Amino acid sequence: NAGVTQTPKFQVLKTGQSMTLQCAQDMNHEYMSWYRQDPGMGLRLIHYSVGAGITDQGEVPNGYNVSRSTTEDFPLRLLSAAPSQTSVYFCASSYGSGLSNSPLHFGNGTRLTVT
Amino acid sequence: EDKVVQSPLSLVVHEGDTVTLNCSYEVTNFRSLLWYKQEKKAPTFLFMLTSSGIEKKSGRLSSILDKKELFSILNITATQTGDSAVYLCAVEARAGNMLTFGGGTRLMVKP
Repeated sequence: NAGVTQTPKFQVLKTGQSMTLQCAQDMNHEYMSWYRQDPGMGLRLIHYSVGAGITDQGEVPNGYNVSRSTTEDFPLRLLSAAPSQTSVYFCASSYGSGLSNSPLHFGNGTRLTVT
Repeated sequence: EDKVVQSPLSLVVHEGDTVTLNCSYEVTNFRSLLWYKQEKKAPTFLFMLTSSGIEKKSGRLSSILDKKELFSILNITATQTGDSAVYLCAVEARAGNMLTFGGGTRLMVKP
């Protein structure tokens, strides 16, 4: 059982470059989300989706785009990378369309450095 | 703005000690509070609390929620080196589709 799979594990970008962080889950979870984790700031929600075709903004959405064309995949796109986007990114999913009855399952993270 | 604050920021103890980690929150329309353990990679789920005064227990770990005073504690008894991790507290509020995380408590257990 793979759970939540994120690729790549590590990435270095130059300022202005774009890239897509991949996230896939095989648990048939409706809810998927992206967080970034910075030292001393905990995890902050970037975007989330409650089902295929539905996305919404979280706490820190600027500079990021998402789409949800299938239940399994929830890619995160950085449009024009900036040093402030250097962080560890976690994808997480949950059974059902909300969180109340099921905790989040996290991927192993992508460590992104923007120079 | 929803806020979750954890204390202490970090803690160093010896094996066998008991520790208490704190999480206080200010959120609109509280729904649940969750505890996660994060070692090197992905946070892993420990507890979900929705009702005041009901202790959740798993082995040496336990947690309780006080919705009147707006806090939760996570207790770990007879600590082991494998308990060394960052412990994260998160609160689900508002529309129920977002978690607000605290900054975490870094616990180090020395042999």
